Amino acid sequence: KQEVTQIPAALSVPEGENLVLNCSFTDSAIYNLQWFRQDPGKGLTSLLLIQSSQREQTSGRLNASLDKSSGRSTLYIAASQPGDSATYLCAVKAQTGANNLFFGTGTRLTVIP
Amino acid sequence: KAGVTQTPRYLIKTRGQQVTLSCSPISGHRSVSWYQQTPGQGLQFLFEYFSETQRNKGNFPGRFSGRQFSNSRSEMNVSTLELGDSALYLCASSKQDEAEAFFGQGTRLTVV
Repeated sequence: KQEVTQIPAALSVPEGENLVLNCSFTDSAIYNLQWFRQDPGKGLTSLLLIQSSQREQTSGRLNASLDKSSGRSTLYIAASQPGDSATYLCAVKAQTGANNLFFGTGTRLTVIP
Repeated sequence: KAGVTQTPRYLIKTRGQQVTLSCSPISGHRSVSWYQQTPGQGLQFLFEYFSETQRNKGNFPGRFSGRQFSNSRSEMNVSTLELGDSALYLCASSKQDEAEAFFGQGTRLTVV
């Protein structure tokens, strides 16, 4: 069974700092990997989707990389802002023909003004 | 373009009752998945529907069921509610298998 782990569980950084969130998964036979953001009590907002054939994706201050062979992904956030404070979740789709995602437990990020 | 819409946003039910949650996917999306989120277990997959057929099911008891209509809207039903069913229920839609998943704002269910 696919297991997804995110480290660290929580992170506090001062505003303006660059940071990296980590995600690892046990089964490298993934279809794609998606990073989400979740604000307290809210739904999930999709940040980046990386297909298994891709190495990285960028959107604004966000850059996500994927190393499928080692079962790892990182989310890099440049020049962090207080508005970036949220829980960040990674999820992998590990089965073709179906759309269930396996989620990590998330990293709760706090950016201190 | 409207996003994924879940109704209602909040529900309070009593143990033993049943509840129905609704999810309207993004227009053109045929896949709808349901997830349960709790502080202790995180996000867990319930089931997925595609073109009115359940394609995949997570490890939940038979009290949890769902269906999808011809317009791709989906409903999830939980019967004989238990205190442990209190959670945020999230619905996601996607256009096709390799595509990005988009989530609704969720339905917060509280069982008392």
